[in-house]
Amino acid sequence: GAVVSQHPSWVICKSGTSVKIECRSLDFQATTMFWYRQFPKQSLMLMATSNEGSKATYEQGVEKDKFLINHASLTLSTLTVTSAHPEDSSFYICSAVRGTIQYFGAGTRLSVL
Amino acid sequence: SQQGEEDPQALSIQEGENATMNCSYKTSINNLQWYRQNSGRGLVHLILIRSNEREKHSGRLRVTLDTSKKSSSLLITASRAADTASYFCATANSGGSNYKLTFGKGTLLTVNP
Repeated sequence: GAVVSQHPSWVICKSGTSVKIECRSLDFQATTMFWYRQFPKQSLMLMATSNEGSKATYEQGVEKDKFLINHASLTLSTLTVTSAHPEDSSFYICSAVRGTIQYFGAGTRLSVL
Repeated sequence: SQQGEEDPQALSIQEGENATMNCSYKTSINNLQWYRQNSGRGLVHLILIRSNEREKHSGRLRVTLDTSKKSSSLLITASRAADTASYFCATANSGGSNYKLTFGKGTLLTVNP
């Protein structure tokens, strides 16, 4: 149990376009999901906490207008990178909470040309 | 900000040997968790140890926690090539939610066949 699906696993886009990443909890309901960003050979940096039915809570320094988060149901949270630029290229990972454990998706590698 | 600091940053051992990774943190915690990440993938939860626990076992994994020293260790016994991955400690800080985590920088473990 506790499977989290993240889609797409890899996306290449042109600068200025928007990209949507989906995070789904497949076999449990998740009131809370998290979105992280990870640079090569570095740790996870928490971007925001996604709460079902309410606005996301963003960490300091993360632009809420650039990284739009929607948690419209108990099994789905989406992260939209708006007007993507090359510096947004990174590995984005989501997690969904069940109990006190975070269960992670497989990640999305975003490359902005 | 990243609270945990793993030590060493990289560890290379032979199959069958034991691997020990350490983690230090700075603030009071509710629990400490260890995760594994294979290259380019999401994280897999390994074990959670609560602040009132000192040691926990799960299969070939042994975790210790010393809250007086604000440190934890992860021991993998009889290592296998499949254990090759990055290992992260993550803390749930006191006064915060039990499921919002702060990740350390990770230890890259390489197990040579």
